[in-house]
Amino acid sequence: LAKTTQPISMDSYEGQEVNITCSHNNIATNDYITWYQQFPSQGPRFIIQGYKTKVTNEVASLFIPADRKSSTLSLPRVSLSDTAVYYCLVGAPYNFNKFYFGSGTKLNVKP
Amino acid sequence: EAGVTQFPSHSVIEKGQTVTLRCDPISGHDNLYWYRRVMGKEIKFLLHFVKESKQDESGMPNNRFLAERTGGTYSTLKVQPAELEDSGVYFCASSQDGAGVNTEAFFGQGTRLTVV
Repeated sequence: LAKTTQPISMDSYEGQEVNITCSHNNIATNDYITWYQQFPSQGPRFIIQGYKTKVTNEVASLFIPADRKSSTLSLPRVSLSDTAVYYCLVGAPYNFNKFYFGSGTKLNVKP
Repeated sequence: EAGVTQFPSHSVIEKGQTVTLRCDPISGHDNLYWYRRVMGKEIKFLLHFVKESKQDESGMPNNRFLAERTGGTYSTLKVQPAELEDSGVYFCASSQDGAGVNTEAFFGQGTRLTVV
């Protein structure tokens, strides 16, 4: 299992850009980086996935440096509804039995 | 399209009793996973089905836990007898067959199990 390290919590204000960084020093060649979001009383929900450089979708951007030992999830202009726990997962994209969830990052968006 | 659904959403049972959790995956998803988070700890993998076969059950904590997936459709996770340390949230997830990028796992809302 490729373990990850994320900040336990982060605070932000509505309208700001939020960047959550994840360390994954033991990432393997075939591993991808996937971020999930979890609201209270719900299951995790897929946000974005990438292998290297930059990936962007309608929700977020994912920045991955050349050494791939870390990654940064960027949420543009957060709102109160973005308050959730964000998990950085490392592994082959289809090996969900190998994912290490860790503690995740609790993002608290304030008005 | 219906997502992954889990029943019940919450269950409170006494120590020593039996509880059965159910998961209905997204139709057509061959892969079904069970995870759990106990006592505020991280989410941990329990079991992986491919259709009706157990592909990986390395995360099952002990023989008090029995998972089945009859016919490759819905799955059940039985805890018998339940112990206090089994309390937590049990998640089910499903994914399409085949390896490929952007294959995502769709999670249900979870079943909160409380053993008293």
